[in-house]
Amino acid sequence: GQQVMQIPQYQHVQEGEDFTTYCNSSTTLSNIQWYKQRPGGHPVFLIQLVKSGEVKKQKRLTFQFGEAKKNSSLHITATQTTDVGTYFCAGPLKFDRGSTLGRLYFGRGTQLTVWP
Amino acid sequence: EAQVTQNPRYLITVTGKKLTVTCSQNMNHEYMSWYRQDPGLGLRQIYYSMNVEVTDKGDVPEGYKVSRKEKRNFPLILESPSPNQTSLYFCASASGGRAYGYTFGSGTRLTVV
Repeated sequence: GQQVMQIPQYQHVQEGEDFTTYCNSSTTLSNIQWYKQRPGGHPVFLIQLVKSGEVKKQKRLTFQFGEAKKNSSLHITATQTTDVGTYFCAGPLKFDRGSTLGRLYFGRGTQLTVWP
Repeated sequence: EAQVTQNPRYLITVTGKKLTVTCSQNMNHEYMSWYRQDPGLGLRQIYYSMNVEVTDKGDVPEGYKVSRKEKRNFPLILESPSPNQTSLYFCASASGGRAYGYTFGSGTRLTVV
């Protein structure tokens, strides 16, 4: 079964509104990574969170890693048309025998559409 | 320029005809991985490698082979392609450090008829 779940699958917002995508794992994660894929493009690494309860910010983007290291969220404040794309979370299971970065489980992504 | 290069970008082939998709990175990364992306299913890992001669299966390894004879190259081999392997494929690499995620190639769109 799917190890990492991500919701919502789609989100349509008007420019200026906020956006949040949520990621949940059935198993503790070693870390959580976030990627953005523009339409027709390839995934681009945004950030990695490692510590329990960690919060990181990149301009209008806020990333959180849950205390139990089983969930994470990405929040975008005041969306812009440049935020359009699909946002993926990914992480290696903590007890997976693979190395930390080797065996990654991706969520199915949240496709964000922003209209002017 | 630091990058992951995969070729070809587009490929149409027939069922059963062996093919190889090449992947090369110039960042001296230890980790390399192959993913396939299908609508509604997100990114699924096919194989990954933690260093030269060290490879392991991901989510969907059936029908694929990989090799890691050199650090920079990680080819994906389809010995006998079938239509259900029609997909968008991405190669990616990452350093062994804790602070960096994967750098992805531009993708290979494969159609098997």
